[in-house]
Amino acid sequence: DADVTQTPRNRITKTGKRIMLECSQTKGHDRMYWYRQDPGLGLRLIYYSFDVKDINKGEISDGYSVSRQAQAKFSLSLESAIPNQTALYFCATSERETQYFGPGTRLLVL
Amino acid sequence: GQNIDQPTEMTATEGAIVQINCTYQTSGFNGLFWYQQHAGEAPTFLSYNVLDGLEEKGRFSSFLSRSKGYSYLLLKELQMKDSASYLCAVISGSARQLTFGSGTQLTVLP
Repeated sequence: DADVTQTPRNRITKTGKRIMLECSQTKGHDRMYWYRQDPGLGLRLIYYSFDVKDINKGEISDGYSVSRQAQAKFSLSLESAIPNQTALYFCATSERETQYFGPGTRLLVL
Repeated sequence: GQNIDQPTEMTATEGAIVQINCTYQTSGFNGLFWYQQHAGEAPTFLSYNVLDGLEEKGRFSSFLSRSKGYSYLLLKELQMKDSASYLCAVISGSARQLTFGSGTQLTVLP
């Protein structure tokens, strides 16, 4: 079984809809992260959490929110999706510096 | 702010050696990572350099010069499966956030 899983793997939604992307990990790591990846722009940090009670904004948090339901679960929500949120979204976990990534969720907002 | 530069594309021949360079400007430098990412897949960890010098791991080696803000990833005995994007990332600041470069797309030709 994969150590870091993301659901769904692919999602198509319409402008204005609320959607949630979920991440689960079995690595026992305290730290979890959400990134988005766009062609030519690399990975950009949206939110990160160092433990269940700790949530921090990253470089591009506007339009997104997160929830850390448990050590193993970190969800990303788009309250009202817009087309420029079309991207590949990755969850990652770490014990210290080295981050391990989930398989990604490909999101298309029409 | 952070600035990480790496070439957009490189091409090399199977069996050859290729060096992918990365330069960075950052405050509160804590270390530099290299990740490999095949198209549509998750980034996978290759190396982590904190101190100056060369770290060797099989066919892959990574070098860091903190005074020059410079790193390179050296790939030896290139194989077709090494065709991928190689991401340079710097960890910095008290929050120890990871900032990624845009990636270098390496194509290995037969």
